[in-house]
Amino acid sequence: GQSLEQPSEVTAVEGAIVQINCTYQTSGFYGLSWYQQHDGGAPTFLSYNALDGLEETGRFSSFLSRSDSYGYLLLQELQMKDSASYFCVLEGSGNTPLVFGKGTRLSVIA
Amino acid sequence: GAVVSQHPSWVICKSGTSVKIECRSLDFQATTMFWYRQFPKQSLMLMATSNEGSKATYEQGVEKDKFLINHASLTLSTLTVTSAHPEDSSFYICSASEGETQYFGPGTRLLVL
Repeated sequence: GQSLEQPSEVTAVEGAIVQINCTYQTSGFYGLSWYQQHDGGAPTFLSYNALDGLEETGRFSSFLSRSDSYGYLLLQELQMKDSASYFCVLEGSGNTPLVFGKGTRLSVIA
Repeated sequence: GAVVSQHPSWVICKSGTSVKIECRSLDFQATTMFWYRQFPKQSLMLMATSNEGSKATYEQGVEKDKFLINHASLTLSTLTVTSAHPEDSSFYICSASEGETQYFGPGTRLLVL
């Protein structure tokens, strides 16, 4: 089957850098995505890795290593508004989301 | 970016009634939309893939006769929860893709009394 593992909670200080890891098991996928979800809201797209390596989008970067079945989301210059849940998602063809991770709840403290 | 809307945002209904939730892509056409369910403090679970002009594809464990999906146009998919029960109370979210990006609707909170 397919599964994703990510830490359930992470706490970091405002202005710092935090890395949220995601390991996966799958027989095949097209890419790994990351989404942010604030309490009570819908998920919003952050980043997508179709190929190995680092994708940078402003303060957020995402990394994928297919050989290690591993990816991560890197958040820099943390702000209080970054406190949210972050999900890694295995994507299939046609951007079909195969499976969502259980989410990592990030708390940014002053 | 693209916008996906859902209606209603909140619905409270009595047990045994049916509830229809609409998902619209406002400024793009979506041949495929996705429906999810999310329980409190849990991840999203993909329920089904809605295909315009054809039958939806349901994930394992999702009852297709209970969760009716209709994708009649390139901008509208509907999810009908039939004979709703309290255990169906959840946050229902749809998404549609434009290019490589999934855009999520704001979600519909269903409470079945």
